[in-house]
Amino acid sequence: DAGVIQSPRHEVTEMGQEVTLRCKPISGHDYLFWYRQTMMRGLELLIYFNNNVPIDDSGMPEDRFSAKMPNASFSTLKIQPSEPRDSAVYFCASSELDNEQFFGPGTRLTVL
Amino acid sequence: SQQGEEDPQALSIQEGENATMNCSYKTSINNLQWYRQNSGRGLVHLILIRSNEREKHSGRLRVTLDTSKKSSSLLITASRAADTASYFCATDGNTPLVFGKGTRLSVIA
Repeated sequence: DAGVIQSPRHEVTEMGQEVTLRCKPISGHDYLFWYRQTMMRGLELLIYFNNNVPIDDSGMPEDRFSAKMPNASFSTLKIQPSEPRDSAVYFCASSELDNEQFFGPGTRLTVL
Repeated sequence: SQQGEEDPQALSIQEGENATMNCSYKTSINNLQWYRQNSGRGLVHLILIRSNEREKHSGRLRVTLDTSKKSSSLLITASRAADTASYFCATDGNTPLVFGKGTRLSVIA
């Protein structure tokens, strides 16, 4: 298995633009997690899905953030409109039940 | 919040020495996990210890858990330069894993 795949690896955009981050979890994993990591706030859980259904989105900072999981092999995290304070590394992770999580390589987002 | 908090925030040691990192948390847990993050990479799972376990080993790693003190420690023995990374503890209970801010370990050759 190739592990958790994220794209793009780097994204540079201008304030106000829409940003879409993509994730392909490990096949067979029931859970998918989106995290954001910054120096100031550390690793924050944004939202997680179980069997494609969003379970807890309380970590999503604002209505500008949205996430979908249309099927078991694909998820997106969208920011619209983006702001400079959204600059961070965004990680996707997947797991079976409540076991160890497998992280993707992350997307480094820079909003100018 | 069940957030684990690692201590120290940063640790610098010589190659061959042992490194000990601590984690404290606030509420009851099902298990506690330790992860490593190399610079510019995603987190990698190291070891999981369940709430009914007190100690666990994996290669050069030794993890202890004291549920009465709500704390855990990660010991890396005979450290190597390749162990340089950030180490995170993560706890769960009725919610998914909540990560601390990590300990930055530097192993100097």
